Parts: sequence; C-alpha cells; structure tokens
Amino acid sequence: SQKIEQNSEALNIQEGKTATLTCNYTNYSPAYLQWYRQDPGRGPVFLLLIRENEKEKRKERLKVTFDTTLKQSLFHITASQPADSATYLCALDIFNTGRRALTFGSGTRLQVQP
Amino acid sequence: DAGVIQSPRHEVTEMGQEVTLRCKPISGHNSLFWYRQTMMRGLELLIYFNNNVPIDDSGMPEDRFSAKMPNASFSTLKIQPSEPRDSAVYFCASSLVAGVPGDTQYFGPGTRLTVL
Repeated sequence: SQKIEQNSEALNIQEGKTATLTCNYTNYSPAYLQWYRQDPGRGPVFLLLIRENEKEKRKERLKVTFDTTLKQSLFHITASQPADSATYLCALDIFNTGRRALTFGSGTRLQVQP
Repeated sequence: DAGVIQSPRHEVTEMGQEVTLRCKPISGHNSLFWYRQTMMRGLELLIYFNNNVPIDDSGMPEDRFSAKMPNASFSTLKIQPSEPRDSAVYFCASSLVAGVPGDTQYFGPGTRLTVL
C-alpha cells in the first residue's frame, strides 16, 4: 500500500543547531514534494516545493533534498530558532489521469530550545 | 487579502444533527480543497474543485458527507447526520491555478468540529 512516513517522535534541538527532518515514502511516484509548517490551532503554511528532477532546493535557512531512488526527502533548518518550533508536514503531489492528490505525512514536531 | 476564510471556527453538536462548514477561498483562486485532520489519520483530502466543478471526491468518507461550490467565492461541506467519529478539524484550502500540480495551497484556519 502507499505510505508516507515522518518521524512521529518530536525532535528536540538546541537553538543555533541544524534541524533535519525526514520524509520517506513507498509505492508513490510523485512529481512534486512539498513541505508545510503547521502551528497549533492553525492551518498548514506552505514552505517549499521540490520537483522530481531537482536534487535540492533552498530558501533562506531552509533546505530540502529529494532522492527519488531512496524515496526520501530531507528538510533542514539551519541556525534554528525557538520560533521555528512547529509541526512540519511533507506532502506528495501526485497527478494522475487528470486527478490530483496532495497526500500528507503525519508530521514531525520540532522543538527548538533556547 | 484576508486569506482563506472558514466558519464557524468551532462547532459543537449532538450526534444526528446536520453540520454545515463554510469556506471562502482567496479571490482569484481556481481550485478549492477540503481536508480533515485527526490525530489518528493525519491530514486527509476529502474533495477538491477546479473552477467550481468537483474533480475528485474519492476521499469523502461516506454518503453522509457532501460538498458544494455554487460559485467561485463560496463552498460548503455538509455532514448529515453527524456522528462522534466525525469529530476532527476540517480545513479548506485554495490554490491559484486549476488542476496544475505543484501549485501552492493556502489553508484556512480550520473548523474544529466536536460531535457529542
């Protein structure tokens, strides 16, 4: 069956360190992979999109990698800050025969300690 | 722009009652999505519309759920009759370009539904 896996355990790191979150998937061939941030009581907010033919994408302190062979994406936040504390969701964007499905992982909660 | 607007923000109802959730997408956006989020199942796509037309409702859990988009600025998700297992946060999202993969989705604040 198709599956997206994100570490369900919270990731606790010290301020200033690099946070690395993992998204693994099976039995999908996504054209795109997206990362979203969700704060408590709010809807997800789009952060980055990476295409299947791209290896890496950067935006300010954020970096995303996409390995279609390993079926894995890594999401990095460098020089992390307490304000980065949130749940981060990966989502596979699958477009097939005119139908589109953005399928989300369950998210990983990041806690950055001051 | 005010972003995606959802109402109500919180809804508490009793089992068997009809529930209607409302969404106003961002002006100019052509795609609208309804999601449900629970601790057990995460964020699930229920249905999406392109240019007010339902494209994929395969995520709608059962016939008790229905969604409409009578015009480009309004959509409803209705549950009739509601059951306790429908308790969840329901999100509406919109995106600019209809049917194009990879376009950014903008989420509303969600409606927290509790069915007693």
